[in-house]
Amino acid sequence: KQEVTQIPAALSVPEGENLVLNCSFTDSAIYNLQWFRQDPGKGLTSLLLIQSSQREQTSGRLNASLDKSSGRSTLYIAASQPGDSATYLCAVPKSNFGNEKLTFGTGTRLTIIP
Amino acid sequence: DTAVSQTPKYLVTQMGNDKSIKCEQNLGHDTMYWYKQDSKKFLKIMFSYNNKELIINETVPNRFSPKSPDKAHLNLHINSLELGDSAVYFCASSQDRVTSQFFGPGTRLTVL
Repeated sequence: KQEVTQIPAALSVPEGENLVLNCSFTDSAIYNLQWFRQDPGKGLTSLLLIQSSQREQTSGRLNASLDKSSGRSTLYIAASQPGDSATYLCAVPKSNFGNEKLTFGTGTRLTIIP
Repeated sequence: DTAVSQTPKYLVTQMGNDKSIKCEQNLGHDTMYWYKQDSKKFLKIMFSYNNKELIINETVPNRFSPKSPDKAHLNLHINSLELGDSAVYFCASSQDRVTSQFFGPGTRLTVL
């Protein structure tokens, strides 16, 4: 059974700092890994999707890495801004053939202090 | 606006009632999903439909019945509501079974 863990559960950093969010998963036979953000009272927004054959993906100030063998992914946020404050979730599909049955981590609640 | 939309946004009802939540996507996606996020913010897949066909039913009580009248809609009907059904329900869609999912804003269901 796939288990996805995100540590820490909450993180506060001053504006402008670079930061790293961690995600670990127990079954390394994954199809891909996705990072989402969730704003309070809102739905999820997909940030980055890394295929199992990739080691990293970048979008603007965000960089996600994937190390399948060690069961880890990191989300790097450069030059953090107050607008980055949200809960960040990583998710992996249970199936090795598609994107259904995403198993989500419990998230890291990020607060950027102005 | 192209998006995944859900109605209603809030739903407060008594135990034992039957209610429906509607979901529509105008992104032209083939696959749609329902998720439940409980009070601890844990998000769990409930159902997945691909081209109007049920792909996944994740051990959800049969009081929950999804219906997909067409590829753009996936509605969730819940019979005999229980206290434990209180949660935020999210609809999502993706182009196919391997691409990123786009989520709706959620429906907060409160069962009294």
